[in-house]
Amino acid sequence: GAVVSQHPSRVICKSGTSVKIECRSLDFQATTMFWYRQFPKKSLMLMATSNEGSKATYEQGVEKDKFLINHASLTLSTLTVTSAHPEDSSFYICSARAPTSGTLSYNEQFFGPGTRLTVL
Amino acid sequence: GQSLEQPSEVTAVEGAIVQINCTYQTSGFYGLSWYQQHDGGAPTFLSYNALDGLEETGRFSSFLSRSDSYGYLLLQELQMKDSASYFCAANSNYQLIWGAGTKLIIKP
Repeated sequence: GAVVSQHPSRVICKSGTSVKIECRSLDFQATTMFWYRQFPKKSLMLMATSNEGSKATYEQGVEKDKFLINHASLTLSTLTVTSAHPEDSSFYICSARAPTSGTLSYNEQFFGPGTRLTVL
Repeated sequence: GQSLEQPSEVTAVEGAIVQINCTYQTSGFYGLSWYQQHDGGAPTFLSYNALDGLEETGRFSSFLSRSDSYGYLLLQELQMKDSASYFCAANSNYQLIWGAGTKLIIKP
């Protein structure tokens, strides 16, 4: 259980175009999903927290107008990289918080397989 | 600020035991998680410690000491497939605060 899919796995696009990445929780409902960015051999950098039915919460330094997040249902969150540039090339990973019993102490996240974005 | 410290790289021999340490400084700390990430792949969950002590899951064990703000991941009977990066992450206010990762190199 607790499978998260991500689509596409790889995308190559021209500079100036927009790219949409989908993140789906396949066998559970995820009220909260997270979007990360990871550079080669570096740690995961949290970009934003996506809550179903409300606006995403962006981390400091992340442009919300450039990285549009929509969490329209309990199983789907999308990240759109608008007007992509070569510096946006990166590995983008989404995760969903596991179903919990309501305890504040449990926060396991299940990760999608990631999307490697290359902007030419 | 919030931060986690872990070694950047650890080398061990196949069949041996290795320990990866993690110290943390966070607010609203609920527990410490460990994730494994192979090159090109996404992180996969290994273990979670909310309470002090040792949690054992097969060849992997994880330890937490809240009073010392310290934890470690112990990998036993190392196999070549264990070569990966290992991240500690503090569960803090519904988010994960990530360490920089430890690259585990296993030699035959």
